[in-house]
Amino acid sequence: DTVLTQSPALAVSPGERVTISCRASESVSTGMHWYQQKPGQQPKLLIYGASNLESGVPARFSGSGSGTDFTLTIDPVEADDTATYFCQQSWNELTFGSGTKLEIK
Amino acid sequence: EVQLQESGPGLVKPSQSLSLTCSVTGYSITSNYWGWIRKFPGNKMEWMGYISYSGSTSYNPSLKSRISITRDTSKNQFFLQLNSVTTEDTATYYCARYSSYIYWDYFDYWGQGVMVTVSS
Repeated sequence: DTVLTQSPALAVSPGERVTISCRASESVSTGMHWYQQKPGQQPKLLIYGASNLESGVPARFSGSGSGTDFTLTIDPVEADDTATYFCQQSWNELTFGSGTKLEIK
Repeated sequence: EVQLQESGPGLVKPSQSLSLTCSVTGYSITSNYWGWIRKFPGNKMEWMGYISYSGSTSYNPSLKSRISITRDTSKNQFFLQLNSVTTEDTATYYCARYSSYIYWDYFDYWGQGVMVTVSS
């Protein structure tokens, strides 16, 4: 299986720029996707194909990367962005990262 | 608007089968792919499998001997059956629409999820 590694948690202040990383154990080309999950809610697709913004998602969210290293950027961060962010790859079967919990101070 | 809703028992005994239903509105399940994903306590998420617009299926190899995904197109529903459950199958189960473009396979609509506990 392709293992996706994410930092467990981050804390930032409103208005700052935050980058959330996801590293794959082997190349997944651009087959990386990002989700936001707020407490008590279902996951929501933010980015597909590493850098494509899903319809309706604010342009504050962006994605980049290819191969094994990927980044989700939120700029500027808002209080409502408090959530856990998951990456998911689709190059080798389908696997998910363990999630990064984002706290807004 | 595409909406999905899971339903099924919240408690299953060890060694029994877990059965869940996903009811879809706003889109026909005879288009696209439709999948099941689960999230374990502690946040680990696992793709379980999907059923295609034609009824073909694909399963996570780790579950292949225990899982079955079927559908009822007349009711626009698809189903998950997981056999011989253990406490390690305790999780929140989500159904989702699975979109496939080039080699980009991702879940663009999700149900609210249903928590299933395996316990005697």
